Amino acid sequence: GIQVEQSPPDLILQEGANSTLRCNFSDSVNNLQWFHQNPWGQLINLFYIPSGTKQNGRLSATTVATERYSLLYISSSQTTDSGVYFCAVARSGGSNYKLTFGKGTLLTVNP
Amino acid sequence: DAGVTQSPTHLIKTRGQQVTLRCSPKSGHDTVSWYQQALGQGPQFIFQYYEEEERQRGNFPDRFSGHQFPNYSSELNVNALLLGDSALYLCASSLNGGTYEQYFGPGTRLTVT
Repeated sequence: GIQVEQSPPDLILQEGANSTLRCNFSDSVNNLQWFHQNPWGQLINLFYIPSGTKQNGRLSATTVATERYSLLYISSSQTTDSGVYFCAVARSGGSNYKLTFGKGTLLTVNP
Repeated sequence: DAGVTQSPTHLIKTRGQQVTLRCSPKSGHDTVSWYQQALGQGPQFIFQYYEEEERQRGNFPDRFSGHQFPNYSSELNVNALLLGDSALYLCASSLNGGTYEQYFGPGTRLTVT
């Protein structure tokens, strides 16, 4: 199956700092999503971005599908940004509908 | 516009028992997927239901089964519970097709003792 690798596994920032999270995947995809999981376990949709660039406030994401990676940028981080960030992809082709998740990046933003 | 809802929120069962978890999809969605998330891991795909049929399944034993109702809501059943089944169970809904964005519910935390 498709492999999804996220880096770094852990990241500690001071409030106000910027960060970049990376997601590498091993095959062509027709779906790529970034999620933020809060302490209660809820997966919050950040971006649906199988290709291209999107921005939403302090967050932006870029997927370069031909090179099989995606980046999530967080600017001016806040303590509420803390939590686990997941990248998930669905491989292109055939009857494939499932999302395969990476192991996540644990972000801690200190005041 | 209601999002994905799941019930119950928490559940404690004894090894060997059976459990049923429920999910209602986001308004307008017709496809439901179930995922299992063990502590410290990313969610793992269990199966997906569309038109009341299981159309894709992950690497889970037959003890895991499901159902989708005409109103698109879904159930996940797990028989003969093992300690290793303790996890957060997440339901996701989407429009038909693998290319559409999936939205997740708050999850059911199952503890098997």
